[in-house]
Amino acid sequence: GESVGLHLPTLSVQEGDNSIINCAYSNSASDYFIWYKQESGKGPQFIIDIRSNMDKRQGQRVTVLLNKTVKHLSLQIAATQPGDSAVYFCAENLPNTPLVFGKGTRLSVIA
Amino acid sequence: DTGVSQNPRHKITKRGQNVTFRCDPISEHNRLYWYRQTLGQGPEFLTYFQNEAQLEKSRLLSDRFSAERPKGSFSTLEIQRTEQGDSAMYLCASSPGELRSPLHFGNGTRLTVT
Repeated sequence: GESVGLHLPTLSVQEGDNSIINCAYSNSASDYFIWYKQESGKGPQFIIDIRSNMDKRQGQRVTVLLNKTVKHLSLQIAATQPGDSAVYFCAENLPNTPLVFGKGTRLSVIA
Repeated sequence: DTGVSQNPRHKITKRGQNVTFRCDPISEHNRLYWYRQTLGQGPEFLTYFQNEAQLEKSRLLSDRFSAERPKGSFSTLEIQRTEQGDSAMYLCASSPGELRSPLHFGNGTRLTVT
């Protein structure tokens, strides 16, 4: 659901399962998207990016899917591990504008 | 460690005092950004530099805030006459400046104004 104030959407998954984190972005003119992972007390860490001329990109254990029709971005994490527990942010980039971050999702991995 | 470095990690100050934070970007990166993050929210853009030129400032950056990057390397962010509402994590990021390259963030400076 939507985050309000201090309440982030939370996703709980069993260790070893796949995780899917969703993001609705705001501007149809955005042409570059990034997923970041943020652990407590640390800055956001780059995970994977995708340009608007693609609809899928894969990295190591992660896949990003982009659906421009409905302005939706998702991050799939395969074989989720305890070290994946963090807050995940999507971010969008319009040409010549700074990166804009969405609301985060807290991923909790149950061992 | 060749990542983005921010100092100090934590700063506690009394309302009305001035504070200054420093950011050392990745050495070959010519773009440097400042963001602010409050609890439970995503980072919000404040300002950015291309080399030593400050190219954009958010309306979040009130007159009490000033940022510099005098030699196009490290940057400082100063907040004058701090208010309790300034309490937040201040994040610095850098990028090579190429179109569509990700920002690399430091671990931030957490400011608490009492």
